[in-house]
Amino acid sequence: GQNIDQPTEMTATEGAIVQINCTYQTSGFNGLFWYQQHAGEAPTFLSYNVLDGLEEKGRFSSFLSRSKGYSYLLLKELQMKDSASYLCAVSRGGDFVFGPGTRLSVLP
Amino acid sequence: IAGITQAPTSQILAAGRRMTLRCTQDMRHNAMYWYRQDLGLGLRLIHYSNTAGTTGKGEVPDGYSVSRANTDDFPLTLASAVPSQTSVYFCASSVFSGPYNEQFFGPGTRLTVL
Repeated sequence: GQNIDQPTEMTATEGAIVQINCTYQTSGFNGLFWYQQHAGEAPTFLSYNVLDGLEEKGRFSSFLSRSKGYSYLLLKELQMKDSASYLCAVSRGGDFVFGPGTRLSVLP
Repeated sequence: IAGITQAPTSQILAAGRRMTLRCTQDMRHNAMYWYRQDLGLGLRLIHYSNTAGTTGKGEVPDGYSVSRANTDDFPLTLASAVPSQTSVYFCASSVFSGPYNEQFFGPGTRLTVL
C-alpha cells in the first residue's frame, strides 16, 4: 500500500526555525512536493524535489533522500502567517499521494 | 475566470440524491484531479485525468464518476450520495502529470450528505 507519515502537530516561536519531516513508502516515485494550507483555504504549492539534496526558496527549503524515503521542509525566520498545515505529497507519474499534513502553530 | 473555479461553494444534500460538482480551469492545463479532504486523513485522490478524453481511478473512487470531454472542465458526479461522502472536495490541475508539475487547487466545495 501507500504510506506517508508526518507529525500531526508542531509548535514553534516567531523568528525561530522549524523542520517538518515526511517519510514515505509508495509504489512509484517521480518527485516529492510540499504544499501549505491555511485553515478553510485550498493548498498552495511551496516546493518540490525530484533528486536527492536540498532545494532552497527564500525562507523555505526542502530536502529529499530517495534511498531513505525521507524528506523535510525547513522554515526559517518564522512569521505568524506561517501558522498553517503543511502537506507532503508523492508524485507517482499519473497521480499524487498526500500525507495527512502537519499543523504548525507559530506563537509570539 | 482566472485560474481554477469550483461550484457550488457548499451544498447540503439528502442521501440518495444525485449531485455533480463542477470544476473549470482556464489555464489550458492538461491534467486535472479530484480530491476529498477529511479531518485526520489528509487529501485523498478520487479520480484524475492526464488529458482530455482520458480518466483514471485514484485511491477512493467508489461512489464517484468523472468525465473529461474537453480541456477546461472536469465534473465529479455522486450518483447516489451517502453520508460517508460528507467532505470537502478540491479540484486541482497541472500543466502535465508527473514531476516538475505543481498542482493548482480550486477553492473547494463543502458537501454535507444527510
